[in-house]
Amino acid sequence: GESVGLHLPTLSVQEGDNSIINCAYSNSASDYFIWYKQESGKGPQFIIDIRSNMDKRQGQRVTVLLNKTVKHLSLQIAATQPGDSAVYFCAETENYGQNFVFGPGTRLSVLP
Amino acid sequence: DTGVSQNPRHKITKRGQNVTFRCDPISEHNRLYWYRQTLGQGPEFLTYFQNEAQLEKSRLLSDRFSAERPKGSFSTLEIQRTEQGDSAMYLCASRKGTGGNQPQHFGDGTRLSIL
Repeated sequence: GESVGLHLPTLSVQEGDNSIINCAYSNSASDYFIWYKQESGKGPQFIIDIRSNMDKRQGQRVTVLLNKTVKHLSLQIAATQPGDSAVYFCAETENYGQNFVFGPGTRLSVLP
Repeated sequence: DTGVSQNPRHKITKRGQNVTFRCDPISEHNRLYWYRQTLGQGPEFLTYFQNEAQLEKSRLLSDRFSAERPKGSFSTLEIQRTEQGDSAMYLCASRKGTGGNQPQHFGDGTRLSIL
């Protein structure tokens, strides 16, 4: 069935560098995308979202890029900090969020 | 903002027992979702409610799984005759709005361990 996946299961970056986490999706009808951060023992925490009528959205230190042509989503974290270490999930949905589909996640490790 | 609350945080039980988990969503959120998450995987959608109506339940893993939201506020997820494969984190999320794009907000889950 339709699913969301990720290119890399793990990512290690130096503190202060920028991080880029990628996500591929296969459902061309998806119209809403969300990035979540999950720390150990906690539920996923909303980071940023983007609608399919946009290709870029910025938040505080984070930017999400959407390329509908190749069905690719990315999360950019500027000046990565130790507190950014976590597992990051992308999620996609269509039809006003009756069913969100999550990818398997990328573990981000920030090196001192 | 009290966030989404789930109880208990941890549940350990013997195989064959029934378990029930509770979720209290953010108060103004009319949509409520249940997910299961196993180690190293993303959350897997189970079911969702709009107010008290269960609008999608075909993804519940078996007929041993059931969910209710009787008054459109808190929800319960029950697993009957638990099996070892049911060991997982069970997550609840809520969101507001009957249309448009709003993010889900998650609780910290109930971790179920079957002995």
